[in-house]
Amino acid sequence: EDQVTQSPEALRLQEGESSSLNCSYTVSGLRGLFWYRQDPGKGPEFLFTLYSAGEEKEKERLKATLTKKESFLHITAPKPEDSATYLCAVHPPEEAAGNKLTFGGGTRVLVKP
Amino acid sequence: NAGVTQTPKFRVLKTGQSMTLLCAQDMNHEYMYWYRQDPGMGLRLIHYSVGEGTTAKGEVPDGYNVSRLKKQNFLLGLESAAPSQTSVYFCASSYPPHEQYFGPGTRLTVT
Repeated sequence: EDQVTQSPEALRLQEGESSSLNCSYTVSGLRGLFWYRQDPGKGPEFLFTLYSAGEEKEKERLKATLTKKESFLHITAPKPEDSATYLCAVHPPEEAAGNKLTFGGGTRVLVKP
Repeated sequence: NAGVTQTPKFRVLKTGQSMTLLCAQDMNHEYMYWYRQDPGMGLRLIHYSVGEGTTAKGEVPDGYNVSRLKKQNFLLGLESAAPSQTSVYFCASSYPPHEQYFGPGTRLTVT
């Protein structure tokens, strides 16, 4: 069974303290890896799609990278408004017909001023 | 564009009652999905649709039914609500094979 594991479960940072979130997966033949941000009481908000090992995407203080077995979401000099739960999801090849995603459990990030 | 919208935002049901959750998208997406999100369980797929008039079961379909009569709408029905269906429900849509876009959620409590 395909697995998506995110670590750590929770992360407390001081404002300006850079860190990385990990998303590891056991899917072979990955068709895409997605990062979402979810604020309390709201739906997941799309951040990035990565399709192949070595690919990188950036948006403001966030940078996502992908290897053959894992993805990292780097948060550089975070601000309190970066506090949220970050979700990782994969699109394995056997789910292609329904474009279905397998989600990880998420990492809760709290950035203190 | 409103993106993905969900109605209602909150609902309280008694055990055995029925209700329908409405999802609408204005992005002309072919695929639509219904998820539930529970603490410690993450997002789990209930049902999905790859086009108007088609539906398919996801990971946790029992106790739910869906219909996709129009491309822009995807309805989730609970025929006889149970306390185990207390959850936050999210609708999403996508233009495959790209990312899914989510609605704001419906918080359902079954007493």
